[in-house]
Amino acid sequence: DAKTTQPTSMDCAEGRAANLPCNHSTISGNEYVYWYRQIHSQGPQYIIHGLKNNETNEMASLIITEDRKSSTLILPHATLRDTAVYYCIVRAERGLSNFGNEKLTFGTGTRLTIIP
Amino acid sequence: DTAVSQTPKYLVTQMGNDKSIKCEQNLGHDTMYWYKQDSKKFLKIMFSYNNKELIINETVPNRFSPKSPDKAHLNLHINSLELGDSAVYFCASSPSGFSGGPTDTQYFGPGTRLTVL
Repeated sequence: DAKTTQPTSMDCAEGRAANLPCNHSTISGNEYVYWYRQIHSQGPQYIIHGLKNNETNEMASLIITEDRKSSTLILPHATLRDTAVYYCIVRAERGLSNFGNEKLTFGTGTRLTIIP
Repeated sequence: DTAVSQTPKYLVTQMGNDKSIKCEQNLGHDTMYWYKQDSKKFLKIMFSYNNKELIINETVPNRFSPKSPDKAHLNLHINSLELGDSAVYFCASSPSGFSGGPTDTQYFGPGTRLTVL
């Protein structure tokens, strides 16, 4: 079962920042927050992940609350090509007990539509 | 410079047939996965292999038999196809291994749309 809760859908105007929330109130201390997206008819694409600190890369920023019970993915300047389903996933860090078992458990995600 | 490739992209077949989907990754990764995305768009893990050894089998019917001839390939063979097998199948790979860090990223292929008539 997915351990995250996300809004079903969101709209964002082109050129504006898209802020996608995710609740993960039962997250454990060794679990990371991952974000993937799936553009129509394509395979899921990795965006970003983090543990405690905020993270930024060329695609997005990830803001994780201090209690780690929620996070927000930020696409700073959304374009039409960012229209996709965005998945927030929590996953334990790799250890001997789960080595090789690094499956991703996808929920229903948020369908983000960028409006021209 | 394709990272994870799958063939075929589309597969249409009759019920009861046997078919295979091939996956190859040129990223040098240790672990490969098969996921299934059904008509309701739920994406679920089916199998994972690490260095040609089966690690995860998520209660998939034994009509599905993954085969990993080497670390770069993970093929999915399906016997006696049923209507409910119609879905998009995604292959993925990740660099997990003893030399890896605490986390890794999975890279997905473009998917194979299987339609069983």
